[in-house]
Amino acid sequence: GAGVSQSPSNKVTEKGKDVELRCDPISGHTALYWYRQSLGQGLEFLIYFQGNSAPDKSGLPSDRFSAERTGGSVSTLTIQRTQQEDSAVYLCASSLGVGKVETQYFGPGTRLLVL
Amino acid sequence: KQEVTQIPAALSVPEGENLVLNCSFTDSAIYNLQWFRQDPGKGLTSLLLIQSSQREQTSGRLNASLDKSSGRSTLYIAASQPGDSATYLCAVSIRGSTLGRLYFGRGTQLTVWP
Repeated sequence: GAGVSQSPSNKVTEKGKDVELRCDPISGHTALYWYRQSLGQGLEFLIYFQGNSAPDKSGLPSDRFSAERTGGSVSTLTIQRTQQEDSAVYLCASSLGVGKVETQYFGPGTRLLVL
Repeated sequence: KQEVTQIPAALSVPEGENLVLNCSFTDSAIYNLQWFRQDPGKGLTSLLLIQSSQREQTSGRLNASLDKSSGRSTLYIAASQPGDSATYLCAVSIRGSTLGRLYFGRGTQLTVWP
């Protein structure tokens, strides 16, 4: 079946512009996570959705970052007034969301470069 | 805060060798530990998931062990092949944290040459 998909796969933008990154989770998965992987760094958690609610936004690095999820499916991560330090790979993952021990399935990521 | 460390950062071996990748974590109150594989330009693929009550998991040539009390896990790869070349990531989910939220190490970059 289809896995987690993300778009665009690559995005180059100018400093100060806004960008939107999209994640399509596996159908039926209620839990959705966004992570960021900066060059030379480990993956860092950004935000967690259960359904359309975001009970944990603690990983968002600043108020320029926001995310939403609609219909318990697609999620969009928006970065306003992008900065060069926002350059990273943004990864989305989903899981069934019904238990404490679940495999998370990751998308291929969006590579963001802010010039 | 949970800290996850992976050693070595990079490893280059000839085909056929057996090898061990190491992962350590500071907070032993974990739900589970997972090993992932990341290929260049691609997302993460889950290899093995070990629940906190388990000691090890095996899948094909891969074996992962967990010693929760000492905060350590190892990933053993038998008879390595060039196709095993990738970055291997260790991640834990911890009690008291958001369900499913993973804390990752920085990975071990493995190269297996023919």
